[in-house]
Amino acid sequence: QLQLQQSGPGLAKPSETLSLTCTVSGGSISGSRYYWGWIRQPPGKGLEWIGSIYYTGSTYYNPSLKSRVTISVDTSKNQFSLNLTSVTAADTAVYYCGWFGELLYPLGWGQGTLVTVSS
Amino acid sequence: SYELTQPPSVSVSPGQTARITCSGDALPKKYAYWYQQKSGQAPVLVIYEDNKRPSGIPERFSGSSSGTMATLTISGAQVEDEADYYCYSTDSSGTHGLFGGGTKLTVL
Repeated sequence: QLQLQQSGPGLAKPSETLSLTCTVSGGSISGSRYYWGWIRQPPGKGLEWIGSIYYTGSTYYNPSLKSRVTISVDTSKNQFSLNLTSVTAADTAVYYCGWFGELLYPLGWGQGTLVTVSS
Repeated sequence: SYELTQPPSVSVSPGQTARITCSGDALPKKYAYWYQQKSGQAPVLVIYEDNKRPSGIPERFSGSSSGTMATLTISGAQVEDEADYYCYSTDSSGTHGLFGGGTKLTVL
């Protein structure tokens, strides 16, 4: 049974970079058919797909965030990470890491991390 | 940009059938997925590939898709089914995922 543990700060300053990491247990990032990625949910609002990555490094990003987003994978640590640059208050959200099926649909999630962008 | 459109809210009485729709131009060629999110909780997949139900999801949840519209049906809705429901799919290229805006289901 896959379990994802998220880590990273819950506060980011405007114009800086938001960084989160997701550690996978119960399975190998490189040994599975899954994709890995991130979604977010601003307070009181809907879900937004941020992007996904395969263990080979192939990435897929939300076009509206593509210029600011990098998702990377570290197979040696069984982790994947999210970097979102130049954040503003509009990036305040609960961020979920998750594993995705071959057709890029979310199958399960980590516990979620509320990241607040504020000075 | 591509969008998936859902009604903001649906309301039914307990025992009635709730239907939540999701429209998108790529749905004739791409699968729809449905997620249930209860207050303060992470989303849960309730339907995948238009009409398949993951293990552990009650049989009253079903899905269908025709043309540009996918539908989540909850037959005999129960009070515990009150939640936000989101459809999910990809664009025509299959490389960008997206959620619908969500539908708040009220059962009372």
